[in-house]
Order: sequence, then structure tokens, then C-alpha cells
Amino acid sequence: KNEVEQSPQNLTAQEGEFITINCSYSVGISALHWLQQHPGGGIVSLFMLSSGKKKHGRLIATINIQEKHSSLHITASHPRDSAVYICAVRKGGSEKLVFGKGMKLTVNP
Amino acid sequence: GAGVSQSPSNKVTEKGKDVELRCDPISGHTALYWYRQSLGQGLEFLIYFQGNSAPDKSGLPSDRFSAERTGGSVSTLTIQRTQQEDSAVYLCASSLSKTGELFFGEGSRLTVL
Repeated sequence: KNEVEQSPQNLTAQEGEFITINCSYSVGISALHWLQQHPGGGIVSLFMLSSGKKKHGRLIATINIQEKHSSLHITASHPRDSAVYICAVRKGGSEKLVFGKGMKLTVNP
Repeated sequence: GAGVSQSPSNKVTEKGKDVELRCDPISGHTALYWYRQSLGQGLEFLIYFQGNSAPDKSGLPSDRFSAERTGGSVSTLTIQRTQQEDSAVYLCASSLSKTGELFFGEGSRLTVL
């Protein structure tokens, strides 16, 4: 079993929909990252969380340390949100990141 | 420059040849990471540099892979005697500290024929 699991693996939505992407992990962590990878490969860091909730524009990320679970929410989704969303955790006591396999989001106009 | 710079962006080589991939991190970033993303796969950690500390090489897949970071800035990832399974996108990231936000380069796409 992978240490970081993301669900769903693929998601197609209509423009304007509220989207939730889930990430569960099975190890102790010091931080969790949400990353966005557009076609062509460029990766952008969206959030780094160790507790609670963060918001940036239409994106909200939450983490529940006790349940070992994080969610990334996209409000009022737009076709430009189409990308692969990757969850990664920094294991406690390590500088390495362990990555989920990513979730491919397609938002249709 | 403003971001993490990687070169070459694309490299096609023949099996058995050596390749060098370069990463120029954001100025002042002490932490530098190399990752690999094979086709259809998630990102895989390769190596981590933090300041003047000994690098964490635990992700390097074989002794054909090595990396160095000169002067705490530019890093080079070297793959000797390349194999077809080395074909992947090699991504470099840097951060201000070992616990900071990551900034990724655009990657170097390696194809081994």
C-alpha cells in the first residue's frame, strides 16, 4: 500500500462546480504539500500545511492530522484549473517528500 | 534569474552514454532536491542537499547516478552508462529552508534510445 493515496484518480467537472480532491497518508508527517502540474510538466506549489486550513483565491486546503487526511477544494472551477494535483508529505524526521500518484482534473467549459 | 532553472530541457542519448543535467536554484535557497518522474508514474525522490550538510542520497536508484552541488548553488545530476529505464523527466526543486515551500524547475526530459 502506498504511503500517500489520492482519490479520485481522475475527475471531470463542469465549469463552476465545487471540486474536492482527497489525500490520505499512513505515516507520521511534519508537513503536507499540494502541488499542481499542468500539461507540459511545470509544477507549482499551491499549499504547504502542517495543521488547520489555508486559503488562496479559489483554493482551500485543509488537513486533519489525527485522521491523516487532507483535502484540496476548488470553488467556482474553471477550465484553467485543469491539471494534475499532487499531494506530497514530508515524513517526520526526514527531509524527503513522499508523493501521491496525483489526480487528473479536467474542467469542461 | 527569478526561478529554478534547469538545462537541458530535452536530452536524447544513446544507451550506454553518460549524461549531465544541471539545476540552478533560486538565489539564497539552501535546500535543493532532485526528483524523477517516469511516464505515467508519480514523482520519485532522488537526492537532497541542505547547505553544507552531507546530502541525503537515499533515493538514488543505482550507483550509476550521482549528484553534486558546488558552492551551495548549482547542482549537477550525472547518470553514467544510461539505460532505457532511465528515460524520465528529472525535476529540480529548491526552497529557502529544509521546511520551506518548494519551487520547481521546468524539468529535463531525458530519452535513452
